[in-house]
Amino acid sequence: DVKVTQSSRYLVKRTGEKVFLECVQDMDHENMFWYRQDPGLGLRLIYFSYDVKMKEKGDIPEGYSVSREKKERFSLILESASTNQTSMYLCASSLLHRATLDGYTFGSGTRLTVV
Amino acid sequence: GDSVTQMEGPVTLSEEAFLTINCTYTATGYPSLFWYVQYPGEGLQLLLKATKADDKGSNKGFEATYRKETTSFHLEKGSVQVSDSAVYFCALSGEEGAQKLVFGQGTRLTINP
Repeated sequence: DVKVTQSSRYLVKRTGEKVFLECVQDMDHENMFWYRQDPGLGLRLIYFSYDVKMKEKGDIPEGYSVSREKKERFSLILESASTNQTSMYLCASSLLHRATLDGYTFGSGTRLTVV
Repeated sequence: GDSVTQMEGPVTLSEEAFLTINCTYTATGYPSLFWYVQYPGEGLQLLLKATKADDKGSNKGFEATYRKETTSFHLEKGSVQVSDSAVYFCALSGEEGAQKLVFGQGTRLTINP
């Protein structure tokens, strides 16, 4: 069964900490995405990547960075966590140029609380 | 730019009721359309899709028809169950070769026994 795996389901961090959210997919997908989900705001794209070492900003990149050193792994980094980054974070992947036909495969999400 | 508008929730129905969740879109060209479902505490799962006008996507008793003339992709189910309680997202992708999906805000559905 193909999968997108997010390393943590629940995470509690302190304000100012550097936080790493990890996502791994086993489908050999070129595209990987990070979204955050908040009530009333739906899904908002933070960053995405089309290839190893490649990244592009989404709609809300401020306060975040990403790393893609290997094709299967896409990490989201909160450089200095703040309480307004408390949210559900969703990772997704797709084959290059196949989002039109196949859509995305999502991970189960990481619910991050910053205190 | 491309956008998706869903009916606002929450929607609360009784078991065996008929369900419609409205979705309309704005896009250039001929997008593909998707419905995703998110069960409590989980990520999104693809429920159904349609890639061209007049296509009907279906899965698990849910259906949606791609209506180009009304730019709509409404989700329907004839008889809902308690287990259908979830958040439903409508999404579109652009023309062939597009990399990103555009999502609606989601509609929370609660089914009471």
